[in-house]
Amino acid sequence: EDQVTQSPEALRLQEGESSSLNCSYTVSGLRGLFWYRQDPGKGPEFLFTLYSAGEEKEKERLKATLTKKESFLHITAPKPEDSATYLCAVQDARTGAGNNRKLIWGLGTSLAVNP
Amino acid sequence: GAVVSQHPSWVICKSGTSVKIECRSLDFQATTMFWYRQFPKQSLMLMATSNEGSKATYEQGVEKDKFLINHASLTLSTLTVTSAHPEDSSFYICSARVWGGNQPQHFGDGTRLSIL
Repeated sequence: EDQVTQSPEALRLQEGESSSLNCSYTVSGLRGLFWYRQDPGKGPEFLFTLYSAGEEKEKERLKATLTKKESFLHITAPKPEDSATYLCAVQDARTGAGNNRKLIWGLGTSLAVNP
Repeated sequence: GAVVSQHPSWVICKSGTSVKIECRSLDFQATTMFWYRQFPKQSLMLMATSNEGSKATYEQGVEKDKFLINHASLTLSTLTVTSAHPEDSSFYICSARVWGGNQPQHFGDGTRLSIL
């Protein structure tokens, strides 16, 4: 069964204290791993898409990496405004055809960055 | 780019009322839109997949007569919660995808629905 597991469930950091969030997945044929940020009372905001092992993407203080079994979201020198829930989702060849392909979601990591 | 607008952001209404939520892709055409429901401190639960010009595909356990979806144009999909009851109170979020099955979904800001 396809699964996405995120860890830790919650993380509290001091401003400037770098760390990583983990997303492990089991799918038969990956067709994309997606990272989103969600603020309270808002919809998810798209951050990155990764398609193949070894791929890396960066945006400001965030860097996403992908292996055959997991993805990491590295946060370098975080600021309080990075506080949010970070969601990971995957899709594979079995989650639908073409544009109807569905996402399998993890439960998220709630990140709090203290000033 | 890839902006999705959802309206209203918040609605309170009496039990038995029908409520319509709009989801618009502002700067791209979306042949496919998705409707989700999210409970507090939980991840997103897919309700249905909406394709322009055709009937929506509902996930198992979602009542299609309760949650009516219309995707009449390439930029607009609507979700109508019919005869809403307190148990329908939730956070509803739509998303849209630029053409291409491996492209990311882009989300609206959600609608907080409270049924009294």
